[in-house]
Amino acid sequence: GAGVSQSPSNKVTEKGKDVELRCDPISGHTALYWYRQSLGQGLEFLIYFQGNSAPDKSGLPSDRFSAERTGGSVSTLTIQRTQQEDSAVYLCASSLNSQSPLHFGNGTRLTVT
Amino acid sequence: DQQVKQNSPSLSVQEGRISILNCDYTNSMFDYFLWYKKYPAEGPTFLISISSIKDKNEDGRFTVFLNKSAKHLSLHIVPSQPGDSAVYFCAAGDSGNTPLVFGKGTRLSVIA
Repeated sequence: GAGVSQSPSNKVTEKGKDVELRCDPISGHTALYWYRQSLGQGLEFLIYFQGNSAPDKSGLPSDRFSAERTGGSVSTLTIQRTQQEDSAVYLCASSLNSQSPLHFGNGTRLTVT
Repeated sequence: DQQVKQNSPSLSVQEGRISILNCDYTNSMFDYFLWYKKYPAEGPTFLISISSIKDKNEDGRFTVFLNKSAKHLSLHIVPSQPGDSAVYFCAAGDSGNTPLVFGKGTRLSVIA
């Protein structure tokens, strides 16, 4: 079966615009995570879904960031009024359950100019 | 406050020798630990894990050691191969359904 799929792979946007990043997890995986990696940094946790609900949104950096997951499958991460500091690689991961290893997608490289 | 620390940003090792990547953590609630490997333009891939009830887990050329009293773990790769050149992330979690916490990574270069 296919792995975690993220789109787009690259996104360049102007400061102030909204962007939407998409994640298709592995079929049957109930847990879904968004992380981001800024230049020279580790993986920064953003948000976690168990099914369609998000028990942990503690990592979202500001109210410009939101995410949803529908049907227990696809998730979208939306960043409104993008800023240059939002430039990073946004990684999505899924796992069979919250105790299983994460399987990552290849990420979306977001550049805000 | 970094809960998972990888203090060496980079490491260079000769092919055939042992690579040792280190990781320290501060949260005593962490009870399982994982190593991920990341190539450029790809997402991290799971490599090996260890539960806090063990102090060693081995999988082929990869061995992870856990020292709970020191809150330290290490990944040993032997023998190192050029294809092992990548960024290695240490991650830690607890059984309370909280998300994994990752270190900043160590870039390993294996020189032929």
